[in-house]
Amino acid sequence: AQKVTQAQTEISVVEKEDVTLDCVYETRDTTYYLFWYKQPPSGELVFLIRRNSFDEQNEISGRYSWNFQKSTSSFNFTITASQVVDSAVYFCALSEDPGGGADGLTFGKGTHLIIQP
Amino acid sequence: GAGVSQSPRYKVTKRGQDVALRCDPISGHVSLYWYRQALGQGPEFLTYFNYEAQQDKSGLPNDRFSAERPEGSISTLTIQRTEQRDSAMYRCASSEDQWTSGGRETQYFGPGTRLLVL
Repeated sequence: AQKVTQAQTEISVVEKEDVTLDCVYETRDTTYYLFWYKQPPSGELVFLIRRNSFDEQNEISGRYSWNFQKSTSSFNFTITASQVVDSAVYFCALSEDPGGGADGLTFGKGTHLIIQP
Repeated sequence: GAGVSQSPRYKVTKRGQDVALRCDPISGHVSLYWYRQALGQGPEFLTYFNYEAQQDKSGLPNDRFSAERPEGSISTLTIQRTEQRDSAMYRCASSEDQWTSGGRETQYFGPGTRLLVL
């Protein structure tokens, strides 16, 4: 069975600090797909990144970067020079099917990130 | 282009009433998913359609929940005889097929319907 654990329930940092959100996953498949979504205070769920287990390189997008470590079953998310607009709940998700398929995405419980001005 | 839309955005109903929640996916997306999200939790998968075919109903909590997508586009999630424990955010997502997405299918979510059962 699939499982995603986000052990950090809430993180609070001061603006401009770097912050890392942890995600640990469990799956029996050798090929799988990992995702991060952002849920701002307005409530929508915004796609951030998709990572295939067989991709070679880690992703960077502006101030956001993701570190995939197959050996520790982790897919951590780092925000560099955080801004107040980054305040949100962030969800990590896992699928054993490329698009989610019959089992959908398995989500963690989320990490509430608070960026203080 | 237009994203996934859901209606109504908010629904307050009395225990025992039936409710129907609508999802309009991104145009051309063949896959459609329903999730339920309780307060303080991540979304929980309910069911999935590929075109009009419902592929898996095992995530639906019980037989009061049903979903359909008769023409392979708009979908309706129906909850019969609502109970207070059904109160949650109900989210819909859609994605392209593997050929269109180049094997990088991604689920894009609608704004959700917040259901409150009194």
